[in-house]
Amino acid sequence: GNSVTQMEGPVTLSEEAFLTINCTYTATGYPSLFWYVQYPGEGLQLLLKATKADDKGSNKGFEATYRKETTSFHLEKGSVQVSDSAVYFCALSDNSNSGYALNFGKGTSLLVTP
Amino acid sequence: GAGVSQSPSNKVTEKGKDVELRCDPISGHTALYWYRQRLGQGLEFLIYFQGNSAPDKSGLPSDRFSAERTGESVSTLTIQRTQQEDSAVYLCASSSLRTSLDFGPGTRLLVL
Repeated sequence: GNSVTQMEGPVTLSEEAFLTINCTYTATGYPSLFWYVQYPGEGLQLLLKATKADDKGSNKGFEATYRKETTSFHLEKGSVQVSDSAVYFCALSDNSNSGYALNFGKGTSLLVTP
Repeated sequence: GAGVSQSPSNKVTEKGKDVELRCDPISGHTALYWYRQRLGQGLEFLIYFQGNSAPDKSGLPSDRFSAERTGESVSTLTIQRTQQEDSAVYLCASSSLRTSLDFGPGTRLLVL
């Protein structure tokens, strides 16, 4: 079945450090890939997405490239801010009968310190 | 505009009791999803509603779980005879056709 594996946290970084959160997936066919973010006390929000191989999703300085050859969708940001502290979820959609139902990773908690 | 809302935000119940969780989707969103997030785990898909079609219940973990949706509006997730392993955050999301999901803040359920 479909699954998503992402690096375990928590990840603690100093402000302006480089961020990478690894995500790999297993899926049949050609899934769409997503990163969702959950800020403290808030619901999950879509951060970025990519719908086909070699697509790059980007938003708020975050980027992720859909790599079919390595089945990966790693999240990166060149210079993190304290406000980026949140839990990040990698997800995929196999566009099956379940509409846009998503398979999620377990989440990676990021703490950015001043 | 208003986002997805869920109630209650927190629920504590005793083992064996029934609970009802409510979700108000974004107006005009035809699709509605329920997910469960156990502590330290990813989100588990539970059920999906799309318009007036039969719901996809493939993610419901047991027959103690059921959900209803009235048209394209409110949905209720019911858990009968709750067990301690049902303790989790229950998340509702809605979407227009083939767009990304908008999530609610969740209901945190604790079964004692």
